[in-house]
Amino acid sequence: RKEVEQDPGPFNVPEGATVAFNCTYSNSASQSFFWYRQDCRKEPKLLMSVYSSGNEDGRFTAQLNRASQYISLLIRDSKLSDSATYLCVVNVANTGNQFYFGTGTSLTVIP
Amino acid sequence: GAVVSQHPSWVICKSGTSVKIECRSLDFQATTMFWYRQFPKQSLMLMATSNEGSKATYEQGVEKDKFLINHASLTLSTLTVTSAHPEDSSFYICSAAGTEVGFIYQHFGDGTRLSIL
Repeated sequence: RKEVEQDPGPFNVPEGATVAFNCTYSNSASQSFFWYRQDCRKEPKLLMSVYSSGNEDGRFTAQLNRASQYISLLIRDSKLSDSATYLCVVNVANTGNQFYFGTGTSLTVIP
Repeated sequence: GAVVSQHPSWVICKSGTSVKIECRSLDFQATTMFWYRQFPKQSLMLMATSNEGSKATYEQGVEKDKFLINHASLTLSTLTVTSAHPEDSSFYICSAAGTEVGFIYQHFGDGTRLSIL
């Protein structure tokens, strides 16, 4: 079983739409959770950390559900510039700074 | 924010050449650095975890004699692709683990596009 699983998509949504991605993780001891964004032919860039209580950054909202072992990312009012691959990342602290990446979810926002 | 510099950005060389890629953490000390490889339209694949002052930990299926990793200081890790062949052509990305506000983040370098002719 993979440490982190994501729906690869692709998600094709019109501008202004709301889109949500989910990611599940298998290790209940996982400590930290992140969403990264990767544009085509570029390196991943941190989008936001995911706090236990959930957190919001502008149009982006991240949620963590430890009981069900999943994290989510909600993007409201999608922009063309949101088109990218979104990577779910989990840090399992008891494995010595080992980070596990999901395969990424591809999002295309259509005019 | 933390910056990780990766060099070179692009490499094109003949088959059989060895290629060295550097990864530097510019404004923080990174005891752990990671090396990834990404083929077109595929996800990141962790190749190895590099720990300062000790041997790297390689993922299953990654040849340690083919991909030499050196992490001699807290700010520099190098990946050497020895006797590179066309199938080694890929996008290689390093990252460094740093701590901010209680979280351990991965900060990525810009990546190196390696093309072996």
